[in-house]
Amino acid sequence: KNQVEQSPQSLIILEGKNCTLQCNYTVSPFSNLRWYKQDTGRGPVSLTIMTFSENTKSNGRYTATLDADTKQSSLHITASQLSDSASYICVVGGRGSTLGRLYFGRGTQLTVWP
Amino acid sequence: SAVISQKPSRDICQRGTSLTIQCQVDSQVTMMFWYRQQPGQSLTLIATANQGSEATYESGFVIDKFPISRPNLTFSTLTVSNMSPEDSSIYLCSVEVGAWYNEQFFGPGTRLTVL
Repeated sequence: KNQVEQSPQSLIILEGKNCTLQCNYTVSPFSNLRWYKQDTGRGPVSLTIMTFSENTKSNGRYTATLDADTKQSSLHITASQLSDSASYICVVGGRGSTLGRLYFGRGTQLTVWP
Repeated sequence: SAVISQKPSRDICQRGTSLTIQCQVDSQVTMMFWYRQQPGQSLTLIATANQGSEATYESGFVIDKFPISRPNLTFSTLTVSNMSPEDSSIYLCSVEVGAWYNEQFFGPGTRLTVL
């Protein structure tokens, strides 16, 4: 079954600290992996997209890694800010028999405290 | 990229009534998607709407309950019919832009509460 699991479910950190969010998936065949940020009351906004041939991609203070062999990804946030408080959603895109389909994780709810 | 707006942003409705959600995109797109996001859950695809053809519904969603219109390449509507409290959710419109792996852009969502 094609699934995307994220951990932790929620996380609280202090402003200025770093954190890492995890994503494990079983989607196969696999095409790409995306991380989205969803602020409360808003739609998800893309942070990074990685294909199966990429193993890291950065977007400012956000760095995503991908290990297609172990089917794991992480999102590392550096020097967190209060505005980083949001839900971070891992999304996996399929190909072949799963072409065009997106599989969504439940998200990690990050809270940054001053 | 694509900028998407949705109306209404939120609504509180009575059981048994229907609500139509509008989605407007700032550019022409072939495929538009409607998602539901229940509290604490991941996004679930309701249907894919292509201009000029019937929407394609995912398992568990039917046209009578969620009729969709796609009159042109920049606009779509989703109607939630005969609502019950279980329909309380956030409904999101989305479009794909790109050539190979399509980047997906989401609207701000419509927060629906059914009493």
